[in-house]
Amino acid sequence: GAVVSQHPSWVICKSGTSVKIECRSLDFQATTMFWYRQFPKQSLMLMATSNEGSKATYEQGVEKDKFLINHASLTLSTLTVTSAHPEDSSFYICSARGLAGGGDTGELFFGEGSRLTVL
Amino acid sequence: GENVEQHPSTLSVQEGDSAVIKCTYSDSASNYFPWYKQELGKGPQLIIDIRSNVGEKKDQRIAVTLNKTAKHFSLHITETQPEDSAVYFCAASRGSGNTGKLIFGQGTTLQVKP
Repeated sequence: GAVVSQHPSWVICKSGTSVKIECRSLDFQATTMFWYRQFPKQSLMLMATSNEGSKATYEQGVEKDKFLINHASLTLSTLTVTSAHPEDSSFYICSARGLAGGGDTGELFFGEGSRLTVL
Repeated sequence: GENVEQHPSTLSVQEGDSAVIKCTYSDSASNYFPWYKQELGKGPQLIIDIRSNVGEKKDQRIAVTLNKTAKHFSLHITETQPEDSAVYFCAASRGSGNTGKLIFGQGTTLQVKP
């Protein structure tokens, strides 16, 4: 199946610093990627929809200036947590929509997640 | 917007028994319903999905049923094995374009006892 790679898989940073997480679709082009956040023992909460070449669409309650999303190519989207604080510590997961035969299959392929710990 | 409710939150079964997890959704326009398995510290993995033009789909020990009228869908795992133990999430989406974002249920922690 399609592969989505996230990097780094885990990161520890000091409060006030910025952290960038990359999401790559390795064997397919993804015009749309999604970023989720997951707290321990909870479900995945959609943060934003990332579209190649345009501004991301953020879900209600998600600060766009806090969580910067860039989707500069068909295989790469990045999430930057700016001025991170301990409450931003979470598991961040990206997903990419697969394309088959030029059509949108609707299937989402997920990365392995990036665990952020802010001290 | 879409809201997905999932039950039960935890499920414990004996090895070899069947497990059933149920979800309901609110958006009648949703047409794509995947199920994901998530192991500790990893991203979700798609295990089976169903589209609104189908009522049932089966893949070996796993099956999913969809009732569009009632807006609910279920995951059935037969002959459960200890390695089936994980957190399972249902999700729903309209399945296409920019509006096709997946909304997840709350998750079910399945424990299969040897």
